[in-house]
Amino acid sequence: AQRVTQPEKLLSVFKGAPVELKCNYSYSGSPELFWYVQYSRQRLQLLLRHISRESIKGFTADLNKGETSFHLKKPFAQEEDSAMYYCALRETNAGGTSYGKLTFGQGTILTVHP
Amino acid sequence: DAGITQSPRYKITETGRQVTLMCHQTWSHSYMFWYRQDLGHGLRLIYYSAAADITDKGEVPDGYVVSRSKTENFPLTLESATRSQTSVYFCASRGLVNTEAFFGQGTRLTVV
Repeated sequence: AQRVTQPEKLLSVFKGAPVELKCNYSYSGSPELFWYVQYSRQRLQLLLRHISRESIKGFTADLNKGETSFHLKKPFAQEEDSAMYYCALRETNAGGTSYGKLTFGQGTILTVHP
Repeated sequence: DAGITQSPRYKITETGRQVTLMCHQTWSHSYMFWYRQDLGHGLRLIYYSAAADITDKGEVPDGYVVSRSKTENFPLTLESATRSQTSVYFCASRGLVNTEAFFGQGTRLTVV
């Protein structure tokens, strides 16, 4: 069965400092990996997906299949980055078709201090 | 409003009562999901649906029932609420072809 692990429940940094939110996964097939963000009392929204290879709000994430990791990074954290971050995995079959279900990690609360 | 909406936003109910959480989406998305969010557990999948009249259990389905008679609606029913079902519930939907999942605003349920 697939599993997503976010080892840090809480992460605190100062504004301007680099930040890295860790995500490790276990899945025997070819996964799709995502980062979702939830700002205070708001709905979850997609931040990044690994297939897009894009940078959103200064965040990047690289899928490392050898280490089965998908860490989220930002070189200079901002106060508005304070939020709950979830790493998620979506199963795909051999043909690359997604089954749709997302498996989430436990989440990391990021606090950026002024 | 286009999108995915949940109702009610907040609900307090007593142990043993039946309660239904509503989820409505306007995109005609095929897939719909119910998750519960608990500190230390992240989001856990309760039930999901691939289309109208097709539903399947997720990771934590016990104590919950779902139905999907129409594509746009996916209600979640707690047949006999327990305190352990106090949580924030999120509904989500996504289209058929590898698209992102969109989440509702959540329903905060307290069972007393």
